[in-house]
Amino acid sequence: DAMVIQNPRYQVTQFGKPVTLSCSQTLNHNVMYWYQQKSSQAPKLLFHYYDKDFNNEADTPDNFQSRRPNTSFCFLDIRSPGLGDAAMYLCATSTGTGGAETQYFGPGTRLLVL
Amino acid sequence: GQNIDQPTEMTATEGAIVQINCTYQTSGFNGLFWYQQHAGEAPTFLSYNVLDGLEEKGRFSSFLSRSKGYSYLLLKELQMKDSASYLCAVRDSNYQLIWGAGTKLIIKP
Repeated sequence: DAMVIQNPRYQVTQFGKPVTLSCSQTLNHNVMYWYQQKSSQAPKLLFHYYDKDFNNEADTPDNFQSRRPNTSFCFLDIRSPGLGDAAMYLCATSTGTGGAETQYFGPGTRLLVL
Repeated sequence: GQNIDQPTEMTATEGAIVQINCTYQTSGFNGLFWYQQHAGEAPTFLSYNVLDGLEEKGRFSSFLSRSKGYSYLLLKELQMKDSASYLCAVRDSNYQLIWGAGTKLIIKP
């Protein structure tokens, strides 16, 4: 089945220790997104790639970086995690960014910062 | 600013009908989505409305009124597995997706 895969499902890191979350997709979608979602809050878009074009949200902290080495994979790097970065990180894909384009989500990685 | 309003939490009984409302104020409108999110899991797509009216899909229906900036999700014949959060999201004039915080639906036997 075509899908969006995120590894690991749970990640524990230490305050200030760099961590990388990964996402892969078999949908062959052009667009990949990274969202941060805290409990009972709306998903917050961090950035997205349209093919290789990187689009950073204005309020995404510099602490968060992303890489998309090819169509299938996208990585979220948190350079120096703080306690406030503990959250669910969701990867999503879509064929485009037009009106009716549906975003398909992976199962998420829950990040715990000690 | 752009804003999506949904009730924080609702409770309903198994077998009943529940309506979850969403009001929005966005810069432009290019469609409204409803997603279901079970606790600790990713959102999954339920419906998309871009024109006024009701879209029916099995036990779930979604309604849109663009002039009122209003939508609702109607769930019929509620089942215990429908216990989840329901997120409303609007695509604005820049095709950005603006998300609501979601409505947590609790189903009681």
